[in-house]
Amino acid sequence: ETGVTQSPTHLIKTRGQQVTLRCSSQSGHNTVSWYQQALGQGPQFIFQYYREEENGRGNFPPRFSGLQFPNYSSELNVNALELDDSALYLCASSLGQGLVNEQFFGPGTRLTVL
Amino acid sequence: RKEVEQDPGPFNVPEGATVAFNCTYSNSASQSFFWYRQDCRKEPKLLMSVYSSGNEDGRFTAQLNRASQYISLLIRDSKLSDSATYLCVVGGSGNTPLVFGKGTRLSVIA
Repeated sequence: ETGVTQSPTHLIKTRGQQVTLRCSSQSGHNTVSWYQQALGQGPQFIFQYYREEENGRGNFPPRFSGLQFPNYSSELNVNALELDDSALYLCASSLGQGLVNEQFFGPGTRLTVL
Repeated sequence: RKEVEQDPGPFNVPEGATVAFNCTYSNSASQSFFWYRQDCRKEPKLLMSVYSSGNEDGRFTAQLNRASQYISLLIRDSKLSDSATYLCVVGGSGNTPLVFGKGTRLSVIA
């Protein structure tokens, strides 16, 4: 196991609601990245946090936002949920600021939007 | 053209077979290349990095052809436990994120 944990494991929401997903990085890792994986697709990069600052962002609207805390854990917040937001949300931790460093993934949160 | 394209699956092969996956990428400035493995309903895990000189790890061999912007993964002597989805992953410089392919599903059959 990677030591990256995520909560909750599953979540069901309705359109228009807001959701917060949480991630604890592997011990010693100071960087957290979030990915969205729709069914049958590869993970898509949402954003990365390094030392509590956003360090890069993929092609996701502003209603996707995040935080990183001093202990390097992180949150992903999604406002005004849409049906297409239904996906597996993966958190990955890594060491260092680079966006291409080896990613250690958590088990993911499966979000269903009805 | 998609940034990272992989062979469409699924690949159904018998135990002991050799199977090869191919992947092409569109960004000629890409610098980092990986193969990740993802079991059903699990998270992706790094299988191996891909180096310009090619690299081997047991039954797994990865090759990179920068001129053709092409990456391959060869699995020899397939085991039942190799059944999974294999994701091709490409990264640019340190300031551009990793791009994952859609993955190719492998089923090894007894």
